[in-house]
Amino acid sequence: AQSVTQLGSHVSVSEGALVLLRCNYSSSVPPYLFWYVQYPNQGLQLLLKYTTGATLVKGINGFEAEFKKSETSFHLTKPSAHMSDAAEYFCAVGGYQKVTFGTGTKLQVIP
Amino acid sequence: SAVISQKPSRDICQRGTSLTIQCQVDSQVTMMFWYRQQPGQSLTLIATANQGSEATYESGFVIDKFPISRPNLTFSTLTVSNMSPEDSSIYLCSVEGQGVGETQYFGPGTRLLVL
Repeated sequence: AQSVTQLGSHVSVSEGALVLLRCNYSSSVPPYLFWYVQYPNQGLQLLLKYTTGATLVKGINGFEAEFKKSETSFHLTKPSAHMSDAAEYFCAVGGYQKVTFGTGTKLQVIP
Repeated sequence: SAVISQKPSRDICQRGTSLTIQCQVDSQVTMMFWYRQQPGQSLTLIATANQGSEATYESGFVIDKFPISRPNLTFSTLTVSNMSPEDSSIYLCSVEGQGVGETQYFGPGTRLLVL
């Protein structure tokens, strides 16, 4: 069985500030972990993923995430928020050909 | 990554009617997935569609309500039958990429409003 918990359905940050979106997972097998972004009125776009190897994963648009097995976490960060980062972000865990999505976090960027 | 298109992009339908959503991929893929995203909620997997076999439905979804076709390796359709306002959602198709990690690539979605 697998599940994902995203802490905070809404997060607001000032433009230029650090972005931190939290994700904790549960999986009975070594997990594959993903972050997707959904801009208004669009489908989901893959930001980054962790499969094996290096635990710090870099993605598109300056985002990165770190897989911490001891904490069962895969938090998404970006050093400096941009207005264009305003979107909804979904964490997901995969295994056995099934991907389970979290409930999403809406990021608001304040000018 | 795969390029995925969906038709229609949006529709407004009357209660009791049916709508068929098309999903086209620019490359051959084994597995295609259909998701529902209800307003303000996350994605829920409806079914997995493999070419040449019956779709596999998740708990809470049935073939009579959501019949799926998968005639070849680049195309699939999802029909939402006998619609009610509760079916108002975004419907997304996705495909599984090659290689390790089961990355899923998503189409732009079909926004359905049932009146």
